[in-house]
Amino acid sequence: RKEVEQDPGPFNVPEGATVAFNCTYSNSASQSFFWYRQDCRKEPKLLMSVYSSGNEDGRFTAQLNRASQYISLLIRDSKLSDSATYLCVVKDLDTGNQFYFGTGTSLTVIP
Amino acid sequence: DAGVTQSPTHLIKTRGQQVTLRCSPISGHKSVSWYQQVLGQGPQFIFQYYEKEERGRGNFPDRFSARQFPNYSSELNVNALLLGDSALYLCASSLARTGYGSGNTIYFGEGSWLTVV
Repeated sequence: RKEVEQDPGPFNVPEGATVAFNCTYSNSASQSFFWYRQDCRKEPKLLMSVYSSGNEDGRFTAQLNRASQYISLLIRDSKLSDSATYLCVVKDLDTGNQFYFGTGTSLTVIP
Repeated sequence: DAGVTQSPTHLIKTRGQQVTLRCSPISGHKSVSWYQQVLGQGPQFIFQYYEKEERGRGNFPDRFSARQFPNYSSELNVNALLLGDSALYLCASSLARTGYGSGNTIYFGEGSWLTVV
């Protein structure tokens, strides 16, 4: 079983739409959670960390449900520039230093 | 401030050859990690080094090795290249070895695209 599982999509949404991505992780001891964004043939870049209380950064909202081992990312008012692959990332304290990445969810925002 | 820098950006090797990839972390960062990203997949952890010592190793064969230098830069070596080693190799730096907080976050370089033919 993979450490982190994501729906690969693709998600094709019109500008202005709201879109949600989900991610599940297998290790209940996981302690740190992130969403990274990766543009085509570029390196992943940190979008936001995910905290237990949930957190928001502009149009982006991340939620964590530890009981269900589930992470979500909500993008409101989608822009063309949001088109990218979104990677769910989990870090376990018990494996020390390894970040586990999902396969990514592809988003295309259509004019 | 400069981000994570990697070299070379692109390279082509033939099966059986050896390759060395280089990485310089963000200034002040002491931890360097290496990841392999095959097309259509997320990055897979190869190694982490902190203060010049190996602190973590992923599920990769012994053909993969790495080291960290006193200035915290790092090299990843892959011997006896296979076609399946073709991938984007990403170096990531972070402030801390592990733990919570902002030191926990990893920042990637632009990567080295390796093609094995």
